[in-house]
Amino acid sequence: NAGVTQTPKFRVLKTGQSMTLLCAQDMNHEYMYWYRQDPGMGLRLIHYSVGEGTTAKGEVPDGYNVSRLKKQNFLLGLESAAPSQTSVYFCASSYGGIEQRGYTFGSGTRLTVV
Amino acid sequence: GQQLNQSPQSMFIQEGEDVSMNCTSSSIFNTWLWYKQDPGEGPVLLIALYKAGELTSNGRLTAQFGITRKDSFLNISASIPSDVGIYFCAGQRGSNQFYFGTGTSLTVIP
Repeated sequence: NAGVTQTPKFRVLKTGQSMTLLCAQDMNHEYMYWYRQDPGMGLRLIHYSVGEGTTAKGEVPDGYNVSRLKKQNFLLGLESAAPSQTSVYFCASSYGGIEQRGYTFGSGTRLTVV
Repeated sequence: GQQLNQSPQSMFIQEGEDVSMNCTSSSIFNTWLWYKQDPGEGPVLLIALYKAGELTSNGRLTAQFGITRKDSFLNISASIPSDVGIYFCAGQRGSNQFYFGTGTSLTVIP
C-alpha cells in the first residue's frame, strides 16, 4: 500500500505566486488533514475534512484554501504565497470516529517562499 | 489552540541508556498517541492509549496514559542509534482533531 502520498516533495515559490499541494490516500479513510510544521512549533492544523465534499478550518487557516472533491484526495491551495508560509506541510488521514486509531502521515512537502 | 507541553525539548544520551519523556496538558484527553518522526519523513504512530492508567508496550517502547487524563509518558529502554528522531505526543478530546505537542528531539550517541 502506498498509504498517504504528497506531491510535490519540494517547491520554491516567489512571494505572490499560487500553488496547490496534492494529497492522496488509498486506505479509504474518511478524515483527512493538512498540517504545517515549523521549528519549535510542533504540528499545527491548517484545515481538515471529515468526508468527501466537506472541509473545516483548523488552528491556522488564514492564507490557505482546501478542497475534497474525491474521498481519496485532499488539496491545499496557497492563493498568494507569503514568506511566512515557508514551512514543511504534512497531509494525514484517518478512519475518524469515536475511537481514533491515529493518523497516517505523508512524507511532507517542503515549501520555501522567497 | 490547545497547548500540549512536551519535555524535555531535546535529549542527548549514550547508546544503551533508557529514555523518559512526557506530555502534559491543562485539559483532559480521551486518547493519547505517541509518534516518531525521522529526518525528512512524516510522523509514524508508535503507541496509542485509550484509557486512563493504561500502560502499553511496543518493543522497547512503553507509554502510559496518566491517571488524571492530563498527561502521558513515553519510555524507551536500552536506546540504540536508530531511536534518533523527534517524538511527538498527541491528544484527542471528543472531537475529530488531535492536538500535537512541540516534540522531543532525541540524539543517541554511539
